Amino acid sequence: GENVEQHPSTLSVQEGDSAVIKCTYSDSASNYFPWYKQELGKGPQLIIDIRSNVGEKKDQRIAVTLNKTAKHFSLHITETQPEDSAVYFCAAHKPNSNYQLIWGAGTKLIIKP
Amino acid sequence: KAGVTQTPRYLIKTRGQQVTLSCSPISGHRSVSWYQQTPGQGLQFLFEYFSETQRNKGNFPGRFSGRQFSNSRSEMNVSTLELGDSALYLCASRAAGSYGYTFGSGTRLTVV
Repeated sequence: GENVEQHPSTLSVQEGDSAVIKCTYSDSASNYFPWYKQELGKGPQLIIDIRSNVGEKKDQRIAVTLNKTAKHFSLHITETQPEDSAVYFCAAHKPNSNYQLIWGAGTKLIIKP
Repeated sequence: KAGVTQTPRYLIKTRGQQVTLSCSPISGHRSVSWYQQTPGQGLQFLFEYFSETQRNKGNFPGRFSGRQFSNSRSEMNVSTLELGDSALYLCASRAAGSYGYTFGSGTRLTVV
């Protein structure tokens, strides 16, 4: 079945620097890839997503890239700020399911002042 | 509009007891999914309900069950609680035909 691997598990960057989190998926039929941000004491919140017919998508300081051939996608955060500190989850649509997502294990992003 | 509401926010139960958690989805959302979140295991999918029918199910024992009512509100029940059931239980709703899940803040269950 579909499997999603996420790296790194923890990422510490200096405020103002960029952060990159990577995920790989196993089923080439997956066609939707969201990223969620979970702040302390809250549920995950969708921050950006990409479909398989697009290679890159940007929204202000965040961007997602997708490489279908290699079956991996990445989250890029530029000019990191303290409020970016959170746990980030990637996910991939599970083919032949009713919109079910398969989740990565999460990345704890720490922004150092 | 109001978000996904989960009650209660915190629960402490004794091993062997049973517990019921509640989730009220965003108005108009007919799909409700439940997840278990533990520090070492990330987000583990429990089940999804759509229009009162269980549509998908994760790999959890039969002690975990759920249901959905005609107003789309959902409950999940865990019977014969074990220490390992201590976790944050998250509910997420989404509109029909959409991939976008909106999560509640979760119920923190502690089994002692």
